[in-house]
Amino acid sequence: AQRVTQPEKLLSVFKGAPVELKCNYSYSGSPELFWYVQYSRQRLQLLLRHISRESIKGFTADLNKGETSFHLKKPFAQEEDSAMYYCALRTGANNLFFGTGTRLTVIP
Amino acid sequence: SAVISQKPSRDICQRGTSLTIQCQVDSQVTMMFWYRQQPGQSLTLIATANQGSEATYESGFVIDKFPISRPNLTFSTLTVSNMSPEDSSIYLCSVRPSAVTDTQYFGPGTRLTVL
Repeated sequence: AQRVTQPEKLLSVFKGAPVELKCNYSYSGSPELFWYVQYSRQRLQLLLRHISRESIKGFTADLNKGETSFHLKKPFAQEEDSAMYYCALRTGANNLFFGTGTRLTVIP
Repeated sequence: SAVISQKPSRDICQRGTSLTIQCQVDSQVTMMFWYRQQPGQSLTLIATANQGSEATYESGFVIDKFPISRPNLTFSTLTVSNMSPEDSSIYLCSVRPSAVTDTQYFGPGTRLTVL
């Protein structure tokens, strides 16, 4: 069965420090992985997807199939990065499985 | 992109009653989904709303409890029937504009409290 694990419920970093939000997945097929973000009082929105290998708002995430991980990284955290981050896995069907989320707080 | 609105934004209901949540999209979309986010937990897919046919429910969710309608490509409703306090959650509508796009858009959610 598929599963997405985000081990940290809460993560605090100082402004300017590097940040890494961890995500591990379990899926026997070929995974499609995403990071979604929810800023305060806003709706959930897509941050980035592994297939496009893009950098959005300074964030990157690399799919590591050997470690079954898709960690989200940013070299220098900004205050506006404070939000709830969800890692999500799409299986062959339409279903999007979400991790439990990590609340990132960037301390000024 | 797709802009999604949901009604109501929140409600407080009595045990045993039912509530219908509406989801309206500003453009025609191929796929519409309903998710539930219970307090302190992640999002869980309830069902895929199929236009013109019965919804496809995920394990643990049944039509009698969560009837869904999708009369056209821009609108869907989710009813939470015979509510109990365990149904207190945020219910989210989500859409995927076409099968070839992997981006999913989410509505603002409906916060339901059952007393």
